[in-house]
Amino acid sequence: GAVVSQHPSRVICKSGTSVKIECRSLDFQATTMFWYRQFPKQSLMLMATSNEGSKATYEQGVEKDKFLINHASLTLSTLTVTSAHPEDSSFYICSARGGGYQETQYFGPGTRLLVL
Amino acid sequence: GENVEQHPSTLSVQEGDSAVIKCTYSDSASNYFPWYKQELGKRPQLIIDIRSNVGEKKDQRIAVTLNKTAKHFSLHITETQPEDSAVYFCAASTWGKLQFGAGTQVVVTP
Repeated sequence: GAVVSQHPSRVICKSGTSVKIECRSLDFQATTMFWYRQFPKQSLMLMATSNEGSKATYEQGVEKDKFLINHASLTLSTLTVTSAHPEDSSFYICSARGGGYQETQYFGPGTRLLVL
Repeated sequence: GENVEQHPSTLSVQEGDSAVIKCTYSDSASNYFPWYKQELGKRPQLIIDIRSNVGEKKDQRIAVTLNKTAKHFSLHITETQPEDSAVYFCAASTWGKLQFGAGTQVVVTP
């Protein structure tokens, strides 16, 4: 149980284009999903917290107009990187957590984004 | 906000020896402390976790200890095997949000 999928696994795009990444909880309802960014040989940095049916909460320094998050259902959250630039190239990982007092976050396989 | 420090950054051990990774946290409101193992290019995998009302937890070769007073927690891996080689991250949860440590690259040599 507690499987989280992410799509696409990798994407290469031109500078200035937008990229959408999907995160799905396959066998549980995720009231909260999280989006992280991980640069090579670094730790996971939380970008934003996404709750179903409400606006995402962004961490300090993360531009909400650049990283659009939508959590339209209890099993799907999307992250759209708008007008991507080479410095946005990174490993983007989502995680999902069930409702109630559940603390455990289950991670998706990640999306490798390369902006040329 | 929460700040998690993790040491060492790299750890080389011989197969069969033990490995210990230590983390400290700053926010006394943190109440949940998971440990994740991440292989290159893969997702972080939860290997063990501990809640603030528990001092120690063990799962086969892996154990975690928590000292709330000192605000530190540690991961212990006994009888290490080559497949234990990976990056290990500690994390502290405050109000449901995880703050990760910088990670420890563990290399187990046969």
